Amino acid sequence: GAGVSQSPRYKVAKRGQDVALRCDPISGHVSLFWYQQALGQGPEFLTYFQNEAQLDKSGLPSDRFFAERPEGSVSTLKIQRTQQEDSAVYLCASSHRDRGNQPQHFGDGTRLSIL
Amino acid sequence: AQTVTQSQPEMSVQEAETVTLSCTYDTSESDYYLFWYKQPPSRQMILVIRQEAYKQQNATENRFSVNFQKAAKSFSLKISDSQLGDAAMYFCAYRRMDSSYKLIFGSGTRLLVRP
Repeated sequence: GAGVSQSPRYKVAKRGQDVALRCDPISGHVSLFWYQQALGQGPEFLTYFQNEAQLDKSGLPSDRFFAERPEGSVSTLKIQRTQQEDSAVYLCASSHRDRGNQPQHFGDGTRLSIL
Repeated sequence: AQTVTQSQPEMSVQEAETVTLSCTYDTSESDYYLFWYKQPPSRQMILVIRQEAYKQQNATENRFSVNFQKAAKSFSLKISDSQLGDAAMYFCAYRRMDSSYKLIFGSGTRLLVRP
């Protein structure tokens, strides 16, 4: 596709369940980012990949959060033993080259609701 | 650490009029990038305009322009001839020039456009 694709668009889970969120970046984009956006707030950085290498995971809030990009394209954000505070929109973004002036292109996000 | 502040939670403008959204930031870096993103209810973050800190000239994209005051660390967005489709959340964002490529967002300003 032409843009960043995220699935599912909505996810409802019970507290304690594991969830997996998928991001399909724009073809050829080297850099991939995950952000967490709480209701009424700006997005906050979670983690960054350059190809398959996870170069920065400083934003992951706990060891329940895990991200991977094994072949340097599709990425999965996994949250184990979900808690209510994990409820948020999870945004994925990709950019063409590993240079600061390349804009990040965002997907529509996954809205995660933990009951 | 870098921070981005948007002090206007909500702004309202009459259709065809001009509105200015404020943004201030804090950094010790001399070179960096600043962005304005638009987020409609569809949740996708759309890049509106970008400014490189080393450029003194203010960026312009059609009806959108910025007032970049580097010494004051201010980066406001002016929307001219406002249209109903401009109604959305607007986020100011900062990005370093080095290998830390994450975006740092403000808390956003909701723009309402009155017909």
